[in-house]
Amino acid sequence: GENVEQHPSTLSVQEGDSAVIKCTYSDSASNYFPWYKQELGKRPQLIIDIRSNVGEKKDQRIAVTLNKTAKHFSLHITETQPEDSAVYFCAASLASGGSYIPTFGRGTSLIVHP
Amino acid sequence: GAVVSQHPSRVICKSGTSVKIECRSLDFQATTMFWYRQFPKQSLMLMATSNEGSKATYEQGVEKDKFLINHASLTLSTLTVTSAHPEDSSFYICSAGTGAGYGYTFGSGTRLTVV
Repeated sequence: GENVEQHPSTLSVQEGDSAVIKCTYSDSASNYFPWYKQELGKRPQLIIDIRSNVGEKKDQRIAVTLNKTAKHFSLHITETQPEDSAVYFCAASLASGGSYIPTFGRGTSLIVHP
Repeated sequence: GAVVSQHPSRVICKSGTSVKIECRSLDFQATTMFWYRQFPKQSLMLMATSNEGSKATYEQGVEKDKFLINHASLTLSTLTVTSAHPEDSSFYICSAGTGAGYGYTFGSGTRLTVV
């Protein structure tokens, strides 16, 4: 089955700095890669996703890059703010016919210091 | 947008009793629902996948008779933790999707404490 590795487990940055979280996956057939943000005690929220036919996707301060050859994808957050502090999970999955089961990374605890 | 309601948000039960957790899709029909378990500071571990009207598919290592999943309608799936023990204490969370596209929405989660 799919195996997703996520690094780092903890990331501490100063407000305004950039943050990068990296994930690798094992199954070359995986074609859908969502990223979730989970605040303490709350549900994970989808913040951005990318499909395997795209190398990069950006949404305001958040961007995701995908390298299919190397089987890794990354989340980039620019101009970080204290409200960005949360646990971020990457996931990899094979999406087929509208159905997919994501395999999650272990999560990265992002701390943004004001 | 798609809304998934999960209840209860917190429950404390005695060892040996059963607890039922409900996951409802409020504004869409959920053909597939996933149940996850999350330990503190850890990732989401898939327990089972349920499709409306059929038996749930459990992940390896998850006891079917202990974690009963019912997906009887397109808007409701339930997870029942039977004969709960302290080691079952955890954060349980569902996610639901329509099968159209890749979007799945998470419920708000249930914090189960078995004493």
